[in-house]
Amino acid sequence: NAGVTQTPKFQVLKTGQSMTLQCAQDMNHNSMYWYRQDPGMGLRLIYYSASEGTTDKGEVPNGYNVSRLNKREFSLRLESAAPSQTSVYFCASSEMWLEYEQYFGPGTRLTVT
Amino acid sequence: ELKVEQNPLFLSMQEGKNYTIYCNYSTTSDRLYWYRQDPGKSLESLFVLLSNGAVKQEGRLMASLDTKARLSTLHITAAVHDLSATYFCAVDLYGGSQGNLIFGKGTKLSVKP
Repeated sequence: NAGVTQTPKFQVLKTGQSMTLQCAQDMNHNSMYWYRQDPGMGLRLIYYSASEGTTDKGEVPNGYNVSRLNKREFSLRLESAAPSQTSVYFCASSEMWLEYEQYFGPGTRLTVT
Repeated sequence: ELKVEQNPLFLSMQEGKNYTIYCNYSTTSDRLYWYRQDPGKSLESLFVLLSNGAVKQEGRLMASLDTKARLSTLHITAAVHDLSATYFCAVDLYGGSQGNLIFGKGTKLSVKP
Protein backbone atom coordinates (compact mmCIF):
# COMPACT_ATOMS: atom_id res chain seq x y z
CA ASN A 1 0.00 0.00 0.00
CA ALA A 2 1.57 3.27 -1.12
CA GLY A 3 -1.14 5.36 0.57
CA VAL A 4 -1.27 8.84 -0.96
CA THR A 5 1.32 9.71 -3.59
CA GLN A 6 2.06 13.10 -5.13
CA THR A 7 4.11 14.18 -8.12
CA PRO A 8 6.30 16.10 -8.55
CA LYS A 9 8.09 16.51 -5.22
CA PHE A 10 9.66 19.84 -6.21
CA GLN A 11 8.88 22.33 -8.96
CA VAL A 12 10.10 25.77 -9.96
CA LEU A 13 7.89 27.84 -12.25
CA LYS A 14 8.16 31.26 -13.77
CA THR A 15 5.29 33.69 -13.30
CA GLY A 16 2.57 32.97 -15.84
CA GLN A 17 3.51 29.35 -16.47
CA SER A 18 0.99 26.58 -15.87
CA MET A 19 1.34 23.19 -14.29
CA THR A 20 -0.65 20.32 -12.84
CA LEU A 21 0.07 18.64 -9.52
CA GLN A 22 -0.91 15.00 -9.45
CA CYS A 23 -2.28 13.04 -6.51
CA ALA A 24 -3.31 9.40 -6.27
CA GLN A 25 -4.48 7.18 -3.41
CA ASP A 26 -4.79 3.43 -3.24
CA MET A 27 -6.96 3.19 -0.11
CA ASN A 28 -10.29 3.27 -1.96
CA HIS A 29 -11.28 6.50 -0.20
CA ASN A 30 -14.15 8.55 -1.56
CA SER A 31 -13.00 11.97 -0.32
CA MET A 32 -9.89 13.78 -1.47
CA TYR A 33 -8.47 17.22 -0.65
CA TRP A 34 -5.86 19.74 -1.72
CA TYR A 35 -4.20 22.00 0.86
CA ARG A 36 -1.49 24.57 0.79
CA GLN A 37 0.86 25.19 3.70
CA ASP A 38 2.61 28.50 4.18
CA PRO A 39 4.93 29.39 7.06
CA GLY A 40 2.97 30.35 10.15
CA MET A 41 -0.39 29.74 8.46
CA GLY A 42 -1.17 26.10 9.13
CA LEU A 43 -2.88 24.29 6.28
CA ARG A 44 -5.59 25.90 4.19
CA LEU A 45 -8.03 23.94 2.08
CA ILE A 46 -7.97 24.82 -1.62
CA TYR A 47 -10.48 22.35 -3.09
CA TYR A 48 -12.03 19.09 -2.07
CA SER A 49 -13.89 16.24 -3.71
CA ALA A 50 -16.41 14.42 -1.56
CA SER A 51 -16.76 11.66 -4.14
CA GLU A 52 -15.87 10.78 -7.70
CA GLY A 53 -17.45 13.31 -10.05
CA THR A 54 -17.84 16.12 -7.50
CA THR A 55 -15.56 18.98 -6.54
CA ASP A 56 -16.07 22.03 -4.34
CA LYS A 57 -14.15 25.12 -3.31
CA GLY A 58 -12.41 25.37 0.01
CA GLU A 59 -11.00 28.42 1.82
CA VAL A 60 -8.52 29.60 -0.85
CA PRO A 61 -9.59 28.41 -4.34
CA ASN A 62 -8.65 31.48 -6.40
CA GLY A 63 -6.03 30.75 -9.05
CA TYR A 64 -6.56 26.98 -8.97
CA ASN A 65 -8.66 24.37 -10.71
CA VAL A 66 -9.10 20.71 -9.90
CA SER A 67 -10.13 17.51 -11.64
CA ARG A 68 -11.30 14.33 -9.98
CA LEU A 69 -10.21 12.03 -12.74
CA ASN A 70 -11.52 8.86 -11.10
CA LYS A 71 -11.83 7.53 -7.57
CA ARG A 72 -8.06 7.26 -7.18
CA GLU A 73 -6.81 10.48 -8.70
CA PHE A 74 -7.32 14.17 -7.90
CA SER A 75 -5.24 16.77 -9.72
CA LEU A 76 -4.63 20.45 -8.99
CA ARG A 77 -3.92 22.87 -11.83
CA LEU A 78 -2.35 26.30 -11.72
CA GLU A 79 -3.31 28.01 -14.97
CA SER A 80 -1.09 31.07 -14.62
CA ALA A 81 1.28 30.77 -11.67
CA ALA A 82 1.93 33.76 -9.45
CA PRO A 83 4.63 34.28 -6.77
CA SER A 84 1.84 34.22 -4.14
CA GLN A 85 1.30 30.56 -5.03
CA THR A 86 4.77 29.64 -3.78
CA SER A 87 3.93 27.10 -1.10
CA VAL A 88 3.99 23.45 -0.12
CA TYR A 89 0.97 21.60 -1.47
CA PHE A 90 -0.47 18.55 0.25
CA CYS A 91 -3.04 16.13 -1.04
CA ALA A 92 -5.07 14.06 1.41
CA SER A 93 -7.79 11.46 1.33
CA SER A 94 -10.34 10.22 3.83
CA GLU A 95 -13.44 8.13 4.21
CA MET A 96 -16.66 8.49 6.15
CA TRP A 97 -16.34 5.16 7.97
CA LEU A 98 -12.89 6.23 9.11
CA GLU A 99 -14.48 9.29 10.70
CA TYR A 100 -12.84 11.40 8.00
CA GLU A 101 -9.39 10.96 9.49
CA GLN A 102 -7.24 12.35 6.70
CA TYR A 103 -4.19 10.63 5.25
CA PHE A 104 -1.69 12.97 3.70
CA GLY A 105 0.70 12.65 0.79
CA PRO A 106 4.37 13.66 1.01
CA GLY A 107 3.78 17.13 -0.45
CA THR A 108 4.97 19.16 -3.44
CA ARG A 109 7.23 22.13 -2.82
CA LEU A 110 6.43 24.75 -5.45
CA THR A 111 8.39 27.94 -6.05
CA VAL A 112 7.13 30.60 -8.46
CA THR A 113 9.71 33.20 -9.47
CA GLU B 1 -16.44 31.88 9.95
CA LEU B 2 -14.81 29.07 11.88
CA LYS B 3 -11.56 30.03 13.58
CA VAL B 4 -9.19 27.58 15.21
CA GLU B 5 -6.62 29.00 17.60
CA GLN B 6 -3.75 27.13 19.15
CA ASN B 7 -1.55 28.27 21.95
CA PRO B 8 1.21 28.49 22.49
CA LEU B 9 2.56 28.71 18.95
CA PHE B 10 6.09 27.95 20.14
CA LEU B 11 7.01 25.78 23.08
CA SER B 12 10.45 24.95 24.34
CA MET B 13 10.45 22.24 26.97
CA GLN B 14 12.98 20.33 28.96
CA GLU B 15 13.01 16.58 28.81
CA GLY B 16 11.00 15.03 31.60
CA LYS B 17 8.61 17.96 32.00
CA ASN B 18 4.87 18.07 31.41
CA TYR B 19 3.00 20.59 29.33
CA THR B 20 -0.34 21.21 27.60
CA ILE B 21 -1.16 22.62 24.17
CA TYR B 22 -4.56 24.27 23.83
CA CYS B 23 -6.85 24.39 20.83
CA ASN B 24 -9.87 26.70 20.89
CA TYR B 25 -12.42 26.91 18.10
CA SER B 26 -15.19 29.35 17.43
CA THR B 27 -18.25 27.40 16.28
CA THR B 28 -20.05 24.24 17.26
CA SER B 29 -18.26 21.06 16.29
CA ASP B 30 -18.04 17.67 17.95
CA ARG B 31 -15.21 16.39 15.81
CA LEU B 32 -11.59 17.38 16.30
CA TYR B 33 -8.29 16.02 14.99
CA TRP B 34 -4.68 16.26 16.09
CA TYR B 35 -1.78 15.87 13.67
CA ARG B 36 1.97 15.85 13.99
CA GLN B 37 4.41 17.21 11.40
CA ASP B 38 8.16 16.69 11.49
CA PRO B 39 10.33 19.30 9.70
CA GLY B 40 10.14 18.92 5.93
CA LYS B 41 7.70 16.02 6.22
CA SER B 42 4.03 15.37 5.77
CA LEU B 43 1.32 15.27 8.43
CA GLU B 44 0.67 12.21 10.53
CA SER B 45 -2.64 11.64 12.29
CA LEU B 46 -2.40 11.36 16.07
CA PHE B 47 -5.94 11.45 17.41
CA VAL B 48 -9.54 11.69 16.25
CA LEU B 49 -11.90 13.00 18.95
CA LEU B 50 -15.54 12.46 18.14
CA SER B 51 -17.66 13.57 21.07
CA ASN B 52 -17.80 15.72 24.15
CA GLY B 53 -15.58 14.29 26.87
CA ALA B 54 -13.57 12.12 24.48
CA VAL B 55 -10.10 11.30 25.74
CA LYS B 56 -7.43 9.40 23.83
CA GLN B 57 -3.90 8.48 24.84
CA GLU B 58 -0.91 7.23 22.91
CA GLY B 59 2.38 6.95 24.72
CA ARG B 60 3.27 10.29 26.30
CA LEU B 61 0.47 12.17 24.51
CA MET B 62 -3.11 12.50 25.71
CA ALA B 63 -5.81 14.47 23.91
CA SER B 64 -9.22 15.52 25.21
CA LEU B 65 -12.24 17.35 23.86
CA ASP B 66 -14.73 19.64 25.62
CA THR B 67 -17.30 20.63 23.02
CA LYS B 68 -19.20 22.88 25.41
CA ALA B 69 -16.10 24.97 26.01
CA ARG B 70 -15.02 24.52 22.37
CA LEU B 71 -11.64 23.43 23.64
CA SER B 72 -9.29 20.55 23.04
CA THR B 73 -6.05 19.91 24.87
CA LEU B 74 -2.98 17.89 23.97
CA HIS B 75 -1.09 16.98 27.12
CA ILE B 76 2.52 15.90 27.01
CA THR B 77 3.82 13.82 29.88
CA ALA B 78 7.54 13.52 30.66
CA ALA B 79 8.63 14.95 27.32
CA VAL B 80 11.40 13.30 25.33
CA HIS B 81 13.40 14.70 22.42
CA ASP B 82 11.54 12.48 19.91
CA LEU B 83 8.39 14.50 20.55
CA SER B 84 9.96 17.59 18.97
CA ALA B 85 7.68 18.46 16.04
CA THR B 86 4.85 20.80 15.06
CA TYR B 87 1.41 19.80 16.33
CA PHE B 88 -1.76 20.89 14.59
CA CYS B 89 -5.35 20.67 15.70
CA ALA B 90 -8.12 20.73 13.10
CA VAL B 91 -11.87 21.08 13.40
CA ASP B 92 -14.45 19.73 11.01
CA LEU B 93 -16.19 22.69 9.42
CA TYR B 94 -19.49 20.94 8.81
CA GLY B 95 -19.57 18.75 11.89
CA GLY B 96 -18.41 15.66 10.08
CA SER B 97 -20.47 15.51 6.92
CA GLN B 98 -17.63 15.90 4.43
CA GLY B 99 -14.38 16.00 6.34
CA ASN B 100 -13.59 19.62 5.58
CA LEU B 101 -11.01 20.58 8.12
CA ILE B 102 -9.97 24.00 9.34
CA PHE B 103 -6.47 23.82 10.83
CA GLY B 104 -4.90 25.85 13.59
CA LYS B 105 -1.55 27.48 12.88
CA GLY B 106 0.35 24.80 14.72
CA THR B 107 2.44 24.59 17.88
CA LYS B 108 6.15 24.09 17.29
CA LEU B 109 7.46 21.99 20.14
CA SER B 110 11.16 21.74 20.90
CA VAL B 111 12.24 19.34 23.64
CA LYS B 112 15.72 19.97 24.95
CA PRO B 113 17.84 17.65 27.10
